[in-house]
Amino acid sequence: DAMVIQNPRYQVTQFGKPVTLSCSQTLNHNVMYWYQQKSSQAPKLLFHYYDKDFNNEADTPDNFQSRRPNTSFCFLDIRSPGLGDAAMYLCATSRRQARQETQYFGPGTRLLVL
Amino acid sequence: AQKVTQAQTEISVVEKEDVTLDCVYETRDTTYYLFWYKQPPSGELVFLIRRNSFDEQNEISGRYSWNFQKSTSSFNFTITASQVVDSAVYFCALSEARRSTGNQFYFGTGTSLTVIP
Repeated sequence: DAMVIQNPRYQVTQFGKPVTLSCSQTLNHNVMYWYQQKSSQAPKLLFHYYDKDFNNEADTPDNFQSRRPNTSFCFLDIRSPGLGDAAMYLCATSRRQARQETQYFGPGTRLLVL
Repeated sequence: AQKVTQAQTEISVVEKEDVTLDCVYETRDTTYYLFWYKQPPSGELVFLIRRNSFDEQNEISGRYSWNFQKSTSSFNFTITASQVVDSAVYFCALSEARRSTGNQFYFGTGTSLTVIP
């Protein structure tokens, strides 16, 4: 089945220790998104890639970076995680960058910062 | 201002009851899209439905139905004969055009539904 896969499902890191979250997709979609979702809140868009074009949201902290080496994979790097970065991180994809396009989500990676 | 409002934070119903989740949105666009997603405890956001602004027909899919009313800017979701497996957080979302990136997705704050056996 075509899908969005996120690894790992749970990640524990230490305060200030860099961490990388992974997302892959078999949908062959052009757009990949990273969202942060804190407890009882809506997902918040951090950034997205349209092909190789990177689009950062204005309020995304510099601590968060992303890489997309090819169509299938996208990574979220947190350079120096703080306690406030503990959250669920959701990856999503869509075929194109257009308002009618549905976003399909992966199962998420729950990040715990000690 | 909130683009998508889900006023009901938490709802509890007894199994087999019907339940309606409210969603009110705000946009100046004439062409836009509305979505509902389900987020079970496992965390994955599951796509349920997409509706464009020109199609006000109600839609039914099994026990799920959606009522879209442009006059009141609402896109409500009803679950008939609720089941325990319906327990989840439900998000309504609006997608409208954005000049720089093509589109902008706005999520509501979600409604947590608990179905009690």
